[in-house]
Amino acid sequence: QKEVEQNSGPLSVPEGAIASLNCTYSDRGSQSFFWYRQYSGKSPELIMFIYSNGDKEDGRFTAQLNKASQYVSLLIRDSQPSDSATYLCAVNKAGRRALTFGSGTRLQVQP
Amino acid sequence: DAGVIQSPRHEVTEMGQEVTLRCKPISGHNSLFWYRQTMMRGLELLIYFNNNVPIDDSGMPEDRFSAKMPNASFSTLKIQPSEPRDSAVYFCASSLTNRGLTYEQYFGPGTRLTVT
Repeated sequence: QKEVEQNSGPLSVPEGAIASLNCTYSDRGSQSFFWYRQYSGKSPELIMFIYSNGDKEDGRFTAQLNKASQYVSLLIRDSQPSDSATYLCAVNKAGRRALTFGSGTRLQVQP
Repeated sequence: DAGVIQSPRHEVTEMGQEVTLRCKPISGHNSLFWYRQTMMRGLELLIYFNNNVPIDDSGMPEDRFSAKMPNASFSTLKIQPSEPRDSAVYFCASSLTNRGLTYEQYFGPGTRLTVT
């Protein structure tokens, strides 16, 4: 079992729809969770991070964390073609400063 | 803020040659991370430093790889000798770590390495 799992996609949504990206992790002691966006040929760019159970909203983005289910998600409202990218989920395991990344989900927003 | 700076952006070299990648972290950050990204393996941690000290190098593939951080504003990743399977994008990232908590990491633009 991978430490951080994501569906590779592609996830295709029409412009204006809500895109839902999901991630599960295996280490129950994980403490913090990050979502990065990576355009082709570019470096990962931090979108959001979340530490506590529940929802955290920032503009069109909402991160959701459920530690009991070891599940974290990212919702993108009013999806735009410019949101088309690979979204990486990353987890900060207890006692370890480095991040463990999932393999990413490719999102395609159709105009 | 200039962000994380990496050089060179692209490197093409022949098998057996030495390669040195460079990184300047964000000023004030005290943790620095080297990652490698390939299609097959995704983004994987090679090594990270905290306050210039290597903390975890378990991701370094083998003795051909070495990393140094002589001061808070500079780090190098060296591959000697290089092999075609080292071809990848190498990212440097930095963050602020305080009291055992690590905050968000910011990535540099990466170095695309091609070993022929």
